This record gives sequence, C-alpha cells and structure tokens, in this order.
Amino acid sequence: DTEVTQTPKHLVMGMTNKKSLKCEQHMGHRAMYWYKQKAKKPPELMFVYSYEKLSINESVPSRFSPECPNSSLLNLHLHALQPEDSALYLCASSQGPSEGYEQYFGPGTRLTVT
Amino acid sequence: AQKVTQAQTEISVVEKEDVTLDCVYETRDTTYYLFWYKQPPSGELVFLIRRNSFDEQNEISGRYSWNFQKSTSSFNFTITASQVVDSAVYFCALRTYSGAGSYQLTFGKGTKLSVIP
Repeated sequence: DTEVTQTPKHLVMGMTNKKSLKCEQHMGHRAMYWYKQKAKKPPELMFVYSYEKLSINESVPSRFSPECPNSSLLNLHLHALQPEDSALYLCASSQGPSEGYEQYFGPGTRLTVT
Repeated sequence: AQKVTQAQTEISVVEKEDVTLDCVYETRDTTYYLFWYKQPPSGELVFLIRRNSFDEQNEISGRYSWNFQKSTSSFNFTITASQVVDSAVYFCALRTYSGAGSYQLTFGKGTKLSVIP
C-alpha cells in the first residue's frame, strides 16, 4: 500500500481564520514533506520531517506551522494567511530522508484564501 | 547548483502515437537520483520511476520506457501507443545530497501532455 491521505480535499478560509491540514501515511516511512504548488508550476518544498524532527524549513513564513505528532501523521497549521497563499498543498512521504528514496504524494489540499 | 530542464512546456499527440518527453539535468554530484512523476488533473503526483546515477540501463514498463544517458545528462521518457489516460503533467526531478543531512529534490517545470482521441 503506497497511500498517503490528506484532509480536507478543499479548504476555503478567510485571512483571519485558523485551520489545519492533515496528512497520514501507514507505510512506515520516516520522512514526511510539505510542498506548495501554484497553478502550472512544479511543487515547491516547504518543510521536511525526518524521524519526526523538523530537518528542513525552506524559509517559509511563520503563518505556516508544521507539526509531526507521530511517525504517521503530519499537520500543517495555517493562521493569518494571505490570498497569495492559495495553492495546492501536497504532502509526501519516503522510506527515509536520503536521496535514493522515492517520495509518495497524497492527493493534496486545494486551499483558497479569501 | 542543481537544475532540471524540461524544454517542452506542452505537447499534444493523437491517441496511439508515440511521444517522448525530454529531461536534461545539471549537477556536480557524482551520486544522484532521477525521478519521473505524473500529475493527472486530479492533482496527485504519481511516482513512475527512479534511476540512480550509476545505473544507465534503460528501463521498460509496459508502454513506458526511459532512456538515461549520463554523457548528455538526459533522462528521457517515452510513451508508446499513447492513450487518453496518459494526459497529465509529467515532472522530471533530480535528488542530490545538499549537506548537513539534507537532500534536495529539484523538479523541472513539467511537460503537459494532451492525448487527443
């Protein structure tokens, strides 16, 4: 089973709202990732968790706050977002953080900030 | 610096035609991995293949085949007898070690393939 699930599928939020995106995998993977993808662009890496610890933060604004409660779950907490943050947010996981492991992606959450 | 170039932004083919998607990469690392992903309109990126820098053997999987040539830094993807379900954006990606225990995955800009019935 190479499934990564993400909830919700769609989210519309105002600039003053607080919401969270959730990602889950049960493949025993020890690395998890958040990507942001704008229309007609490739995914851009936001965060990497390796063995439940944040290992990479690609200079993401603090209005995005990741959390890894356990090895299967990854959350992305959203607060005071801007309209330009509207995008597809993809979660991915891989067996480990090294370069040889392919990443498996979830279906994404399509976020609209109004 | 790592770079992946997919020069073809959009390609349209008629069903049953063969189509090749080009990918050219740049890296100074001797150890690296190359990937292809498919992103259908639904949004999910689907892993297709991984190739490491020491394995130049070409690979075939059903209607899909990949040609890896280190001499030209290319990792091209061919779909034989294309089908409407192949319509998607295809991303080529390069993963290398970026230091301090971190690994960087660099995506190309993607090639949008439209297969017309």
